[in-house]
Amino acid sequence: SQQGEEDPQALSIQEGENATMNCSYKTSINNLQWYRQNSGRGLVHLILIRSNEREKHSGRLRVTLDTSKKSSSLLITASRAADTASYFCATDREYGNKLVFGAGTILRVKS
Amino acid sequence: KAGVTQTPRYLIKTRGQQVTLSCSPISGHRSVSWYQQTPGQGLQFLFEYFSETQRNKGNFPGRFSGRQFSNSRSEMNVSTLELGDSALYLCASSFSPGKETQYFGPGTRLLVL
Repeated sequence: SQQGEEDPQALSIQEGENATMNCSYKTSINNLQWYRQNSGRGLVHLILIRSNEREKHSGRLRVTLDTSKKSSSLLITASRAADTASYFCATDREYGNKLVFGAGTILRVKS
Repeated sequence: KAGVTQTPRYLIKTRGQQVTLSCSPISGHRSVSWYQQTPGQGLQFLFEYFSETQRNKGNFPGRFSGRQFSNSRSEMNVSTLELGDSALYLCASSFSPGKETQYFGPGTRLLVL
């Protein structure tokens, strides 16, 4: 079963615009991670945010975590055509590596 | 460092057959997890191995099994294949279980006819 739900399911923007994706989850977590997947290939790790962190940056990526609302957001600034992909949030709530993934957001960046 | 590798990349089988997929983790990583991705169910956790021991198992039938070798390489096996087993099977590795980033391989795409 999926713990997380991404919102929106699909997003289409112009190159240079910012893209924001949201993720909600149901139970308490240790970490929340964001991954990117291009056309049914493997998952590329983007960023990990721990439950005691509220915000994290990596290049053009900004992730926030609100554990009181059980939600996270991923912001991609100055988007590029190469950012076109599916984006997934994944949470783990137990010691170990059992990630529970959301359904994903399909991002299309038009050039 | 080389990334996670999975073999084969593509596989076509018929119903009733069995299949074995292989995963080599990043050098030094001892934890390996497997996931199944389908359009209908999304990404679902299959199992996790650390130091040759299965630590966690997802909600899959007993036809799905796996193992890990002393060099941390892992295999998963699916017996008596069903059409619904058609999926992308992804392997992920990390240094150890816990608060660690998992790095995924390119996946094995299995088609069951």
